[in-house]
Amino acid sequence: ETGVTQSPTHLIKTRGQQVTLRCSSQSGHNTVSWYQQALGQGPQFIFQYYREEENGRGNFPPRFSGLQFPNYSSELNVNALELDDSALYLCASSISTDTQYFGPGTRLTVL
Amino acid sequence: AQSVAQPEDQVNVAEGNPLTVKCTYSVSGNPYLFWYVQYPNRGLQFLLKYITGDNLVKGSYGFEAEFNKSQTSFHLKKPSALVSDSALYFCAVRALGGYSTLTFGKGTMLLVSP
Repeated sequence: ETGVTQSPTHLIKTRGQQVTLRCSSQSGHNTVSWYQQALGQGPQFIFQYYREEENGRGNFPPRFSGLQFPNYSSELNVNALELDDSALYLCASSISTDTQYFGPGTRLTVL
Repeated sequence: AQSVAQPEDQVNVAEGNPLTVKCTYSVSGNPYLFWYVQYPNRGLQFLLKYITGDNLVKGSYGFEAEFNKSQTSFHLKKPSALVSDSALYFCAVRALGGYSTLTFGKGTMLLVSP
């Protein structure tokens, strides 16, 4: 098991609502990356935070936003939820550009 | 842009037999290659990586991978499969020197029969 934790484990929301997912990075790691894994697909990169600054962003709309805190934990916020946002959201932590270690994920269902 | 192809949706192998899970990649510059494994309802678990050096990389649980630059491939291998190896395997790539964002393949389900 890695030291990366995510909460909550599961979440059910309705279309149009907002959601916040949380990630606690492994001790000593200063970089957090977020991925969306739709059913039957590989993870897709959402964005990355390094020392509290967004360090890169994938092809996701602005309603996907994030934060990284001084202790390097992180949040992913999604506004105006759509049905297609239903997925497993994975957080990964690393020391800068080194190997990424993943948390167990948050399963989001949008009804 | 970088990309990964895993041509097989599923690989079936009998316990004790060798296994290979295929991966090809496309990236500008030198690649940084990874294999991860995902068990049901779990996150991704790191298996091994290639940065530079020896083309044969050894990782966790007896897995290894062979980097072939001319064929742009990074196939995952294990000499003797176990039933407990049954899981979903993902190959990922990023370019050296760029952001550490990973591009993943669609995954290959490995089923090991007793």
